[in-house]
Amino acid sequence: DGGITQSPKYLFRKEGQNVTLSCEQNLNHDAMYWYRQDPGQGLRLIYYSQIVNDFQKGDIAEGYSVSREKKESFPLTVTSAQKNPTAFYLCASSRTANTGELFFGEGSRLTVL
Amino acid sequence: AQSVAQPEDQVNVAEGNPLTVKCTYSVSGNPYLFWYVQYPNRGLQFLLKYITGDNLVKGSYGFEAEFNKSQTSFHLKKPSALVSDSALYFCAVRAPTGGFKTIFGAGTRLFVKA
Repeated sequence: DGGITQSPKYLFRKEGQNVTLSCEQNLNHDAMYWYRQDPGQGLRLIYYSQIVNDFQKGDIAEGYSVSREKKESFPLTVTSAQKNPTAFYLCASSRTANTGELFFGEGSRLTVL
Repeated sequence: AQSVAQPEDQVNVAEGNPLTVKCTYSVSGNPYLFWYVQYPNRGLQFLLKYITGDNLVKGSYGFEAEFNKSQTSFHLKKPSALVSDSALYFCAVRAPTGGFKTIFGAGTRLFVKA
């Protein structure tokens, strides 16, 4: 079945550690996105990528980094510079950057101990 | 700047009654409008979208939404609510300007009581 796979589903991190969240899609979509979800705040855009080897900062990119070396993959690294990283992270894709709805993965919940 | 407002944090409705979840937006140009649903600890699922054409849009699970340009609203509706409709609902807007980013509202929690 086509879809988006995020891993791990749950992740615990000590302060000062970098962690990488995986996002893989087999929908052949050009565009991919990372959102952060906090209670009562909806979804906020961290980074997005319209094509391979290109990505742009979203509204809350500080303390995060991404890469887009393959069309299928868009990993997100939460660095130690992110001051409040505990959140639910959602990866999404769309067929192109300017059309259609987003398809979401099941999310990764990161907790900083 | 683009924005989406969902004025109600929570909506309560009895099973079998009609439901409405409200959404208003602010965007330059002609918007693309979406509704998504989220169940606990899951990703978002697409329900329906308005791009152009008929102002009444029908989507998954019996949901529909009405685009009102003059009121800049896109309210989600269902004629008869089910207990299984209880979830978190997000309205979203994408504008042709601003890099085609999708902006989400804060979400409205729907409780359907048996």
